[in-house]
Amino acid sequence: EAGVTQFPSHSVIEKGQTVTLRCDPISGHDNLYWYRRVMGKEIKFLLHFVKESKQDESGMPNNRFLAERTGGTYSTLKVQPAELEDSGVYFCASSQGTGTRSTDTQYFGPGTRLTVL
Amino acid sequence: AQSVTQLGSHVSVSEGALVLLRCNYSSSVPPYLFWYVQYPNQGLQLLLKYTTGATLVKGINGFEAEFKKSETSFHLTKPSAHMSDAAEYFCAVRASGNQFYFGTGTSLTVIP
Repeated sequence: EAGVTQFPSHSVIEKGQTVTLRCDPISGHDNLYWYRRVMGKEIKFLLHFVKESKQDESGMPNNRFLAERTGGTYSTLKVQPAELEDSGVYFCASSQGTGTRSTDTQYFGPGTRLTVL
Repeated sequence: AQSVTQLGSHVSVSEGALVLLRCNYSSSVPPYLFWYVQYPNQGLQLLLKYTTGATLVKGINGFEAEFKKSETSFHLTKPSAHMSDAAEYFCAVRASGNQFYFGTGTSLTVIP
């Protein structure tokens, strides 16, 4: 079974440009999560989709970040315009169970390393 | 509020020695606790998790962790370190809702 995949693995852009990150969850997983790790800091939650709906977007830093999950399959995270502080590793995770406090494991992708110059 | 503290951003052990990676958490509700490992250029891989039941949890690759409610701890141990254990380890707590709260990670170096 294929795991969570993310594309690209690395992205280097200049301040003010736009970048779109993609995540393909494990097939059949309704839950999809985005996290970010700024260098040296903890991995922080950004948002959570259940199928195509945003369940929790409390971790999104600001309105320069837009996440979508059309059709409830893959998801994209767009940063527009990118700023220097957006640099970091963006992780995607998926899980199967639904409902609050599901015990299901979140399976993580390898991450996209974003560098904003 | 939920949070995780991992003491020691870098830990070095000799091959064959005990591995002890510390994790303390805060949670307003009974927590679900996780340890993930990240090898270079790979995603986070689940080592083990505690949800309910037995407080000593065994995971993959010989790792185990014990949930101690009185100490709000979930330390990760392995009796004998192997070179292949060199990686970054993350402790995470999941309380209300579905989001995880992670610690800052501990980089483990194994010295031959």
